Amino acid sequence: DTAVSQTPKYLVTQMGNDKSIKCEQNLGHDTMYWYKQDSKKFLKIMFSYNNKELIINETVPNRFSPKSPDKAHLNLHINSLELGDSAVYFCASSYSSEAFFGQGTRLTVV
Amino acid sequence: AQSVTQLDSQVPVFEEAPVELRCNYSSSVSVYLFWYVQYPNQGLQLLLKYLSGSTLVESINGFEAEFNKSQTSFHLRKPSVHISDTAEYFCAVSYNTDKLIFGTGTRLQVFP
Repeated sequence: DTAVSQTPKYLVTQMGNDKSIKCEQNLGHDTMYWYKQDSKKFLKIMFSYNNKELIINETVPNRFSPKSPDKAHLNLHINSLELGDSAVYFCASSYSSEAFFGQGTRLTVV
Repeated sequence: AQSVTQLDSQVPVFEEAPVELRCNYSSSVSVYLFWYVQYPNQGLQLLLKYLSGSTLVESINGFEAEFNKSQTSFHLRKPSVHISDTAEYFCAVSYNTDKLIFGTGTRLQVFP
């Protein structure tokens, strides 16, 4: 069983479109995250949720909106996609400071 | 500001040679330290972690890292690398919060 799963794995879309990435974890963790990895492999936290409540919101454009319908899911919706949004987005969940990552969603905006 | 520095962006090494990947973090009273590995086109996997206790921590595949508080370092070492160790390695720190701060990564390339 996959611990943290993201869909889709690849996403190619045109500028201006709206898209969503879904994330689910079956580990029973209370805390979930979204990280962005840019073309230089740099990883930066975007959001953190604890038990469906937003805990961390880094300096991210408000075109990015996370939604947590329950503590096992944290979805990421992106409005009006821009070329600079192209990256790999990783979902993660954590327990006792140890984070478990999904396989990533490679978003390409053309 | 809280930060993690990985000085080497790339480390080329021959198979069976020893390797050290360096990691330094900005000082704090309490830190948790991690090394993650990312194989090509895959997500991040936890390699090893330091939360408390013994300053030397080991992974199941022969890597080890030592927490050095005075030098604010958490270097990763392996005495003999394999081709399969070729990957991107990320050092990360948590300053007693749920937020992981990552270094910029070190690409370990093992040659036959």
